[in-house]
Amino acid sequence: GQSLEQPSEVTAVEGAIVQINCTYQTSGFYGLSWYQQHDGGAPTFLSYNALDGLEETGRFSSFLSRSDSYGYLLLQELQMKDSASYFCAVNRDDKIIFGKGTRLHILP
Amino acid sequence: ETGVTQSPTHLIKTRGQQVTLRCSSQSGHNTVSWYQQALGQGPQFIFQYYREEENGRGNFPPRFSGLQFPNYSSELNVNALELDDSALYLCASSEAGTGGNSPLHFGNGTRLTVT
Repeated sequence: GQSLEQPSEVTAVEGAIVQINCTYQTSGFYGLSWYQQHDGGAPTFLSYNALDGLEETGRFSSFLSRSDSYGYLLLQELQMKDSASYFCAVNRDDKIIFGKGTRLHILP
Repeated sequence: ETGVTQSPTHLIKTRGQQVTLRCSSQSGHNTVSWYQQALGQGPQFIFQYYREEENGRGNFPPRFSGLQFPNYSSELNVNALELDDSALYLCASSEAGTGGNSPLHFGNGTRLTVT
C-alpha cells in the first residue's frame, strides 16, 4: 500500500532542536512536503524536497533520501509557538498522501 | 491576494441527508483539492479538480462528488450522510496539479457533524 509513517508525538524544550521523521512506502512521487497545523487552524506549507538532500528555510530544514524512503523535518531554536502538529505529504500525479501527523509538545 | 475561503464554517446534518460544501480558491490558482480530516489524524485526500475536471481521487465512495467552476471555485457534495462522515473538510488550492513544488494553500475548513 501507500503510506507515510511519522511518530505520533515528540516533546522538546524551548530553544532546542527537534527532528521529526517520515518514512514512506510509495513510489512515483514528485517530492516530499511538510505542513504545520495549529489546533483549530488550517495546515500551512513549510517546506518541499523535490531532490535528495537538505532544504533550509529559516529555522526549518527538511531532508529527503529517496533511496532510504525517508525524510525529516528539523526545527531549530524552538519557540513555544512551534507547538503544533506536523504532517509529511507526498505529491503524485493522481493524489496527495499525508501522514497521520506528529504532535510536537514544547516545554518551557 | 485573497486566500482560500470555505463555507460554511460549521454544519450539523442528520444521517441520510445530503450536504454541499463550498470553496473559493486563492487568486491565480487553477487546482483545487478536498480533504477529510478526522480528529487527531492527517488529511485524507478525497479528490482534485484541475480546469473543471476531476484528475485524481482517493479511496472515497461515489457518494462523495465535486465540481469546479470556471472561476476555479469548487463544491464538495456528500450524499446519504453517515455518522462516520463527521469530520473537518478542508479545501486547498494550488497553482497547477499535484506535481512539482506548488504548495497547497488550505482554507480553514468546514466542521461537519452528522447526528
